[in-house]
Amino acid sequence: KAGVTQTPRYLIKTRGQQVTLSCSPISGHRSVSWYQQTPGQGLQFLFEYFSETQRNKGNFPGRFSGRQFSNSRSEMNVSTLELGDSALYLCASSWIPVRDTDTQYFGPGTRLTVL
Amino acid sequence: QKEVEQDPGPLSVPEGAIVSLNCTYSNSAFQYFMWYRQYSRKGPELLMYTYSSGNKEDGRFTAQVDKSSKYISLFIRDSQPSDSATYLCAMSARAAGNKLTFGGGTRVLVKP
Repeated sequence: KAGVTQTPRYLIKTRGQQVTLSCSPISGHRSVSWYQQTPGQGLQFLFEYFSETQRNKGNFPGRFSGRQFSNSRSEMNVSTLELGDSALYLCASSWIPVRDTDTQYFGPGTRLTVL
Repeated sequence: QKEVEQDPGPLSVPEGAIVSLNCTYSNSAFQYFMWYRQYSRKGPELLMYTYSSGNKEDGRFTAQVDKSSKYISLFIRDSQPSDSATYLCAMSARAAGNKLTFGGGTRVLVKP
């Protein structure tokens, strides 16, 4: 079974621009979560989508947004980029069985550099 | 203070030694505990998943959870140079859905 895929793998943008990152979950997985990883703050939760609805949101400004499509693929968007947005953006997918939470599997990430 | 604390290391051990990693946490609502391994410039890879207190063993890996002390551990037996990576603990509460709260990660170096 193919793992979580993320595109693009690397991205360079300048301050003020916006960016869209894409995530395709493992086949059959319906939940997609996004995380930001930086050397200073570590891995921080951005948001989670399940059945095209945002189910949970982390403590990030409104410039960070996301959506999920009917095939469970997800995109996240960052508008008005700042230097501090430079990070590895990770997507994780899980199945969501009867329990509310399930093990998550991460993709390789998209490394965003803001100049 | 962070919800999940983890010693950043680096932790250097000789090949074949036991690697001992741990995390402490402050949120008593955490019920699900995970350990991930992350190689440089890669995404985290799930190693162990434990629900509530107790021990779990999988091959060379043993995970322990002590909810009364808010303390979790990961032991790696017969360590190999390929185990050199950053190890991240992660936790979630049932009410928080799939939101994981991570420790900062411990960098481990296994020397041949």
